[in-house]
Amino acid sequence: NAGVMQNPRHLVRRRGQEARLRCSPMKGHSHVYWYRQLPEEGLKFMVYLQKENIIDESGMPKERFSAEFPKEGPSILRIQQVVRGDSAAYFCASSQSGQGAGANVLTFGAGSRLTVL
Amino acid sequence: GESVGLHLPTLSVQEGDNSIINCAYSNSASDYFIWYKQESGKGPQFIIDIRSNMDKRQGQRVTVLLNKTVKHLSLQIAATQPGDSAVYFCAEPQRTGFQKLVFGTGTRLLVSP
Repeated sequence: NAGVMQNPRHLVRRRGQEARLRCSPMKGHSHVYWYRQLPEEGLKFMVYLQKENIIDESGMPKERFSAEFPKEGPSILRIQQVVRGDSAAYFCASSQSGQGAGANVLTFGAGSRLTVL
Repeated sequence: GESVGLHLPTLSVQEGDNSIINCAYSNSASDYFIWYKQESGKGPQFIIDIRSNMDKRQGQRVTVLLNKTVKHLSLQIAATQPGDSAVYFCAEPQRTGFQKLVFGTGTRLLVSP
């Protein structure tokens, strides 16, 4: 079991460019979550997705950020027209279910570190 | 609003000592808490969890204590090892059964050989 796989691990973008971060959940997990972590801070929830559905995007900035989890392939977090304040580590997590016992244990990936120049 | 926070940003201990990492929460209705360990350059790793109907739960070398009266929980690590050096976060879900976790700022544990 390869765990939650994220790529790229490191991404450098200039202001105004687009960043695409990919996440493949653990085998058998159909729930995906994205979190953002600024240096020396805790993780902040961004979005919760199931296959082809966004369940909760209350933590996503209203502009420039979008997420998807298509029927086939990894989940994608897309940041358009990046700004320096977008520099952070972006973590993806997955779980087997979204409700009930066992659902509360998220398995996190190693993260994608975005640097905006 | 709800918040989960930690008292000490950095804790330095000697190898073999016991470590205690503290966490305060503000929502008295909170009924589930999780401790995560995050090593440098890695994602958070689940350590142990506890429900509010318990006041203590033990794992391998770790114990979590929950004091609902003062809304405080702690993570105790016995016989701390250099491999325990990491940032430790307490977290709670905003809704029971849902994964919208609220993380504290974190405590950095430094273990000296």
